[in-house]
Amino acid sequence: EPEVTQTPSHQVTQMGQEVILRCVPISNHLYFYWYRQILGQKVEFLVSFYNNEISEKSEIFDDQFSVERPDGSNFTLKIRSTKLEDSAMYFCASDGEESNQPQHFGDGTRLSIL
Amino acid sequence: QKEVEQDPGPLSVPEGAIVSLNCTYSNSAFQYFMWYRQYSRKGPELLMYTYSSGNKEDGRFTAQVDKSSKYISLFIRDSQPSDSATYLCAMSKTYKYIFGTGTRLKVLA
Repeated sequence: EPEVTQTPSHQVTQMGQEVILRCVPISNHLYFYWYRQILGQKVEFLVSFYNNEISEKSEIFDDQFSVERPDGSNFTLKIRSTKLEDSAMYFCASDGEESNQPQHFGDGTRLSIL
Repeated sequence: QKEVEQDPGPLSVPEGAIVSLNCTYSNSAFQYFMWYRQYSRKGPELLMYTYSSGNKEDGRFTAQVDKSSKYISLFIRDSQPSDSATYLCAMSKTYKYIFGTGTRLKVLA
């Protein structure tokens, strides 16, 4: 069964450094998302992306965050200057070309900021 | 009032029991309702997806939505130790999913 893949599984970064998290969505999907889950807390929406544009973003997704689909298969989340509170699991999700399709999630990247 | 409320558990049941997991919500604009299962250090895995009131069955799982009461449930029949995980409800009106906190379930052999 097709799946969303994320790399790396664990990223350790010094505070203030830039980090890029990578995702390969399911191949025929057109809608892409990033969520995060701080340890012990609920999964929170960050951003949705369609047709090379952000379609919706949360208050968490400030100027330090950006997303990009650099080619036909990858979808990335960049955090420009990481803070301690950015430490979390980051999940990528995608859904299909028809409307009202459920989102499928990857296994996440654990981001640890030192 | 939180948009989505879910009892965090933990919930421990013997193998073979029927499990009932529940979420309530406050936003009547939600149209789509999902249940995900999450194992430790893994991503949410889609179990059930529905967009109307009523019941939807898939194998041992039944999802129930009551929009008038703003209440959704997931029932697991003949629970197995492999069902031990955290169960997340999620709902949406647009692209943005709102998740509950998750209920930790442990099925004892």
